[in-house]
Amino acid sequence: QSVLTQPPSASGTPGQRVTISCSGSNSNIGSNAVNWYQQFPRAAPKLLIHSEDQRPSGVPDRFSGSQSGTSASLAISGLQSEDEADYYCAVWDDTQTGWVFGGGTKLTVL
Amino acid sequence: QVQLVESGGGVVQPGGSLRLSCAASGFTFSSNGMHWVRQAPGKGLEWVTFIRYDGSHQLYADSVRGRFTFSRDNSKNTLYLQMNSLRPEDTAVYYCATEITRAFDYWGQGTLVTVSS
Repeated sequence: QSVLTQPPSASGTPGQRVTISCSGSNSNIGSNAVNWYQQFPRAAPKLLIHSEDQRPSGVPDRFSGSQSGTSASLAISGLQSEDEADYYCAVWDDTQTGWVFGGGTKLTVL
Repeated sequence: QVQLVESGGGVVQPGGSLRLSCAASGFTFSSNGMHWVRQAPGKGLEWVTFIRYDGSHQLYADSVRGRFTFSRDNSKNTLYLQMNSLRPEDTAVYYCATEITRAFDYWGQGTLVTVSS
């Protein structure tokens, strides 16, 4: 059971906008900035969004992050087939004194 | 460019030990905190441990505290994860990762640890 709750799956058609949610508590999302990671099958994860809404160099601006209260969201606009991957949220947890992950969301492009 | 290369994975019996290494290059290794994150087969990501840039402080997940020891050699740009008293539930791909922006900024390709009799 993950500390952060994500939907196990999400889907959309090319060109659509999809959002993936990440729900936590006051000790994690309510107090710290969320990061998002993208992982393709049989590959290492890659940082997609850090500090709630910042994109590392090379990440398309189709990807955006936001958070409010104890929840965070990853939005992907102009969905493309190559966006099909697993997405994870992660954040520092003040109570656990460590980093916690969501269970991951498998995004399917129909 | 940043490169992280893990090694040392393999098959070990329950109760056994294993030491993982992570060789880093392409960034100022001695200035950055580092992490290990693992992923059990077909499962999600789990943070394992963190070490401060100078090796003076470590943090561990409850699941490994007291069994795993994280260290670094800044003269060799290398991390070490000593894993003792291994359990079947420790079976996973282990990734080392940098912390530059208060996130796991760059990841290695991972090394597989299998704990089985």
